[in-house]
Amino acid sequence: DTGVSQDPRHKITKRGQNVTFRCDPISEHNRLYWYRQTLGQGPEFLTYFQNEAQLEKSRLLSDRFSAERPKGSFSTLEIQRTEQGDSAMYLCASSLVGQGVRRGYTFGSGTRLTVV
Amino acid sequence: LAKTTQPISMDSYEGQEVNITCSHNNIATNDYITWYQQFPSQGPRFIIQGYKTKVTNEVASLFIPADRKSSTLSLPRVSLSDTAVYYCLVGEPGNTGKLIFGQGTTLQVKP
Repeated sequence: DTGVSQDPRHKITKRGQNVTFRCDPISEHNRLYWYRQTLGQGPEFLTYFQNEAQLEKSRLLSDRFSAERPKGSFSTLEIQRTEQGDSAMYLCASSLVGQGVRRGYTFGSGTRLTVV
Repeated sequence: LAKTTQPISMDSYEGQEVNITCSHNNIATNDYITWYQQFPSQGPRFIIQGYKTKVTNEVASLFIPADRKSSTLSLPRVSLSDTAVYYCLVGEPGNTGKLIFGQGTTLQVKP
């Protein structure tokens, strides 16, 4: 069990550019979540998948954001036409349905996005 | 999902026991109470989870009164490395699709 991996750890981009982040969950976990966290605030839910199906999206996830989880394994989060307000830490978490009662969700270390 | 209220910040000294209380007046019958710890530039880490009475693991204890409208995370003999943000969450983790985080409690442990 190598935990949840996120890549890259840091990303600096110019306003208006597109960025894509990757998350590799724990291999046997069937649920995958994306959160966004700004300084001094708790993580905010963005979206989650069960296997390859995207089951819920937050209103925070504007049409510039898209997430995929092909084949129910890794996931990508893409932000198009980035804005300075998108600067944040993007966190990925995974869990196994039914096991969350005992072990909780496992988070990655996040991708810190800075839009300049 | 039930809303939680916890202190914004707390200070303590090394070696002391720290108790962080969380209020969740609207907790539902199927909800569990979960605490996470987060260090700067890292994702939250699961600490402990419980439904009622008392739960203890190698890291912390969780006390939940009979009415379940509040809970207390107890950290025995804290050290400097326990300085972090602690989040209390309420939900049905086996079925609900998401965890809702509040602002958390920033614990500062001083030497």
